Amino acid sequence: RKEVEQDPGPFNVPEGATVAFNCTYSNSASQSFFWYRQDCRKEPKLLMSVYSSGNEDGRFTAQLNRASQYISLLIRDSKLSDSATYLCVVNDQTGANNLFFGTGTRLTVIP
Amino acid sequence: EADIYQTPRYLVIGTGKKITLECSQTMGHDKMYWYQQDPGMELHLIHYSYGVNSTEKGDLSSESTVSRIRTEHFPLTLESARPSHTSQYLCASRERGADYNEQFFGPGTRLTVL
Repeated sequence: RKEVEQDPGPFNVPEGATVAFNCTYSNSASQSFFWYRQDCRKEPKLLMSVYSSGNEDGRFTAQLNRASQYISLLIRDSKLSDSATYLCVVNDQTGANNLFFGTGTRLTVIP
Repeated sequence: EADIYQTPRYLVIGTGKKITLECSQTMGHDKMYWYQQDPGMELHLIHYSYGVNSTEKGDLSSESTVSRIRTEHFPLTLESARPSHTSQYLCASRERGADYNEQFFGPGTRLTVL
């Protein structure tokens, strides 16, 4: 079983739409969570961290449900520039303390 | 912008050649990583390092090797390149300590082996 599972999409949405991505993680001991964004043929970059109480950054809202081991990302009022792959990332709580990256969910915002 | 650099950005080379992909960061991070990623596919961790003189194999078996003689430098070497090594190689670094430390990626090296 993969450490992090995401729906690969693709999600094709019109400009201005609201879109939500979800992911699940397998290790209940995981303590830190992130969403990264990767543009086509570019490196991943941190979009936002995900905190227990949920957090918002402009049009982006991230939520964490520890009981269900589930993380979500909500994008409101989608822009063409939001088109990218969104990676769900979970910290490995074993000795290595590395990050586990999901396979990513591809979003295309259509004019 | 992250202070992590990779050279070359693009490399086309023939089968059997020895190659070294360079990665440097000026953020003083202890932890460094190499990932392999095919177009449109997921990231695969192939090597990582906790600090100087530390190297570990990642989740995906790789014929490459790495070294960490200096904190800022984490080169990856392929002794004999093959077409199956064609891929994008991404280097990353992260400060050790707090769980919410950001991991920074370099721009990647796109390798093609003919």
